[in-house]
Amino acid sequence: GNSVTQMEGPVTLSEEAFLTINCTYTATGYPSLFWYVQYPGEGLQLLLKATKADDKGSNKGFEATYRKETTSFHLEKGSVQVSDSAVYFCALSPTGNQFYFGTGTSLTVIP
Amino acid sequence: KAGVTQTPRYLIKTRGQQVTLSCSPISGHRSVSWYQQTPGQGLQFLFEYFSETQRNKGNFPGRFSGRQFSNSRSEMNVSTLELGDSALYLCASSYQQGRDSPLHFGNGTRLTVT
Repeated sequence: GNSVTQMEGPVTLSEEAFLTINCTYTATGYPSLFWYVQYPGEGLQLLLKATKADDKGSNKGFEATYRKETTSFHLEKGSVQVSDSAVYFCALSPTGNQFYFGTGTSLTVIP
Repeated sequence: KAGVTQTPRYLIKTRGQQVTLSCSPISGHRSVSWYQQTPGQGLQFLFEYFSETQRNKGNFPGRFSGRQFSNSRSEMNVSTLELGDSALYLCASSYQQGRDSPLHFGNGTRLTVT
């Protein structure tokens, strides 16, 4: 079947610290992988995506590499800011008509 | 381009009532999906429509139904509401079929059932 496992939160970091949020997946076929971010009171916003093995998605200083051999898509950022505080969701799309989401990882960045 | 618009933003209903939620996708997007978000279960897929046809349905009871109109706008209906239906309902649209096309979400409708 299809599923996504994310590291448990919450995660608290100081400003300018390095961020890693782990994501592993199980999928049939060759899915596309996504990271979404959700701010309080809002829907999910697309952060980045990768559509095939070894692709690197990047946006706003965040990066994630599609690793087929380890079935992983870990999110990283070199220097977090207070404005990065949000909930982050890893997701996969095997066919396009249904996405599978992880449980979300809450990140708080303190000044 | 305007984003995905969901109305209303908040709803309070009592058990046994029914409710209809509305979603207007991004202009040009023909696929609309609905998800239920709760603290305990996370994001759960309800259904997906493309060109007025339901292509996929999640594991929800028949009380949950939806439809899509010719202008791609979509509605979701929940009948005989239960306390456990309290959740944030998110609508998302995408431009085309296929696994590469990302979902674009609205801000959701917060449903509270008392």
